[in-house]
Amino acid sequence: AQKVTQAQTEISVVEKEDVTLDCVYETRDTTYYLFWYKQPPSGELVFLIRRNSFDEQNEISGRYSWNFQKSTSSFNFTITASQVVDSAVYFCALSGTIQGAQKLVFGQGTRLTINP
Amino acid sequence: NAGVTQTPKFQVLKTGQSMTLQCAQDMNHEYMSWYRQDPGMGLRLIHYSVGAGITDQGEVPNGYNVSRSTTEDFPLRLLSAAPSQTSVYFCASSRGESLIAGELFFGEGSRLTVL
Repeated sequence: AQKVTQAQTEISVVEKEDVTLDCVYETRDTTYYLFWYKQPPSGELVFLIRRNSFDEQNEISGRYSWNFQKSTSSFNFTITASQVVDSAVYFCALSGTIQGAQKLVFGQGTRLTINP
Repeated sequence: NAGVTQTPKFQVLKTGQSMTLQCAQDMNHEYMSWYRQDPGMGLRLIHYSVGAGITDQGEVPNGYNVSRSTTEDFPLRLLSAAPSQTSVYFCASSRGESLIAGELFFGEGSRLTVL
């Protein structure tokens, strides 16, 4: 079965702290993709990153970085020197084949609050 | 550049009423889908389409119908609204026919309340 677990329901930190959002996934597919999406208070969902199952290189984009480890089935997201604008709900997602069809499964989301 | 447009943004229904949530995209994307977002449950796939004339069920299809007569439009119909369908609904599209690799582009969401 395809499953994504974001164990942290809510995280609250003070501005400029580093924060890591955890994502653990389950899949039997050998080819799959992992995603992170951001949902700011305005409500829309914004794509942040896609990583395929054959590429375990870590990725850095400005203050954002992602650590993909197949050995632990994890795809964690770190924000360095957090800012108030980073406050949002963050979703991790896994794509693959479920009952013969291509589908995308989301985690429950982590609500991140950055306090000034 | 409009992207994915959903209407209405807010709707209140009485139990048993029917309605249609509209979704249109102007990016010529083959893949379109509908999700519902409920507290503590992330986003769950309702229905999806890999091209005009082709639709399929997601995780939670009961109580909803879809059709895809054009590439641009993918309306979601609630046949007989129930309080359990109170949720925020998102339409999304993606390039190509493959969901697996595609980045999803989301609409702004439609908040539906069923009394």
